[in-house]
Amino acid sequence: GAVVSQHPSRVICKSGTSVKIECRSLDFQATTMFWYRQFPKQSLMLMATSNEGSKATYEQGVEKDKFLINHASLTLSTLTVTSAHPEDSSFYICSARDPDRAYEQYFGPGTRLTVT
Amino acid sequence: GQNIDQPTEMTATEGAIVQINCTYQTSGFNGLFWYQQHAGEAPTFLSYNVLDGLEEKGRFSSFLSRSKGYSYLLLKELQMKDSASYLCAVVDSNYQLIWGAGTKLIIKP
Repeated sequence: GAVVSQHPSRVICKSGTSVKIECRSLDFQATTMFWYRQFPKQSLMLMATSNEGSKATYEQGVEKDKFLINHASLTLSTLTVTSAHPEDSSFYICSARDPDRAYEQYFGPGTRLTVT
Repeated sequence: GQNIDQPTEMTATEGAIVQINCTYQTSGFNGLFWYQQHAGEAPTFLSYNVLDGLEEKGRFSSFLSRSKGYSYLLLKELQMKDSASYLCAVVDSNYQLIWGAGTKLIIKP
């Protein structure tokens, strides 16, 4: 099956700093990638849809200037959390859509972000 | 609006059978997924239904009725490792995944 990697798996940063999370599709080209956030004991919350070569589409309530998304190639999308605050501490998960299988999303292993 | 409902939590006994229901109201329908998510991990694919009926895959089966906007995930011969959250997600007319809040399944010995 399709494999999606995510790096780093865990990161601890100080309040006010920026953190970059990478999402890679390893064995297929992903024209569309998705970024989710999940707080403890809650379901996935879609933050934004990232399309290769174009601007990301953000969900309502998600600050585009705070969560910068770049999808510069067909195998890589990055999420940068700028000026992180403790309330940004969460589990961030990316997924990628294989264009040959239009509906299914393949998930990365997730990144646990802790802001101190 | 779009809405997916599934129970928040269920408890079952090891070795037994449990059925997790999911009802949906979405703008269009292009299939329904079930994912399993263990605590602290990303979701993993379990099943995909786009036609009415039952799909069986080992101990897990998934059923779909499009006319009723209803699906269920059936888990047989429950094992302790099946303790997880089970997420129902529907593909809408824009091929976006609409997620349910998930059902936390607790397996007791």
